[in-house]
Amino acid sequence: GAVVSQHPSWVICKSGTSVKIECRSLDFQATTMFWYRQFPKQSLMLMATSNEGSKATYEQGVEKDKFLINHASLTLSTLTVTSAHPEDSSFYICSASPAGWSSYEQYFGPGTRLTVT
Amino acid sequence: GQQLNQSPQSMFIQEGEDVSMNCTSSSIFNTWLWYKQDPGEGPVLLIALYKAGELTSNGRLTAQFGITRKDSFLNISASIPSDVGIYFCAGQLAGSQGNLIFGKGTKLSVKP
Repeated sequence: GAVVSQHPSWVICKSGTSVKIECRSLDFQATTMFWYRQFPKQSLMLMATSNEGSKATYEQGVEKDKFLINHASLTLSTLTVTSAHPEDSSFYICSASPAGWSSYEQYFGPGTRLTVT
Repeated sequence: GQQLNQSPQSMFIQEGEDVSMNCTSSSIFNTWLWYKQDPGEGPVLLIALYKAGELTSNGRLTAQFGITRKDSFLNISASIPSDVGIYFCAGQLAGSQGNLIFGKGTKLSVKP
């Protein structure tokens, strides 16, 4: 149980274009989903927290107009990288916390490798 | 911001050896989680701890929530080659909204 999927697993796009990454909880409902960014050989950096039906909460230094997050349902959150630039190239990982659980366990997706050329 | 100090940063061990890694902080945590991440994959939850002093096992893995609530350790017994990967601790701060704080990871290499 507690499976999270991400799509696509990797994407290459040209500078200036936008890319959408989907995060789905497959066998549970997620009140809260999280988006992380990970640079090579580094830990996970929380970008934003999204709650179903409300605006995402962004961490300090993360541009909300550049990284658009939509948590439209209890099983789907999307991250759109707008006007992507090479410095946005990274490994993006989402996680989800099951609704109704009193714990703070987060279950992670397999990640999306974004390369901006 | 709050930080977790995870050590060691990396370990090179022989197959069959036991492994120990830990996370410490100056802050108090309500929850400790241990994850393993393989290259190019998302982290996988190994063990979750919710009470000070709690000792939990998952196969060859054992983790403990420190009595002071400021630390946690993970032990792996009789390591095998598939234990290779990066292990992250993560904690949920007491009094916080629930976001996890991650350690910087321990990279484990196992020589057959």
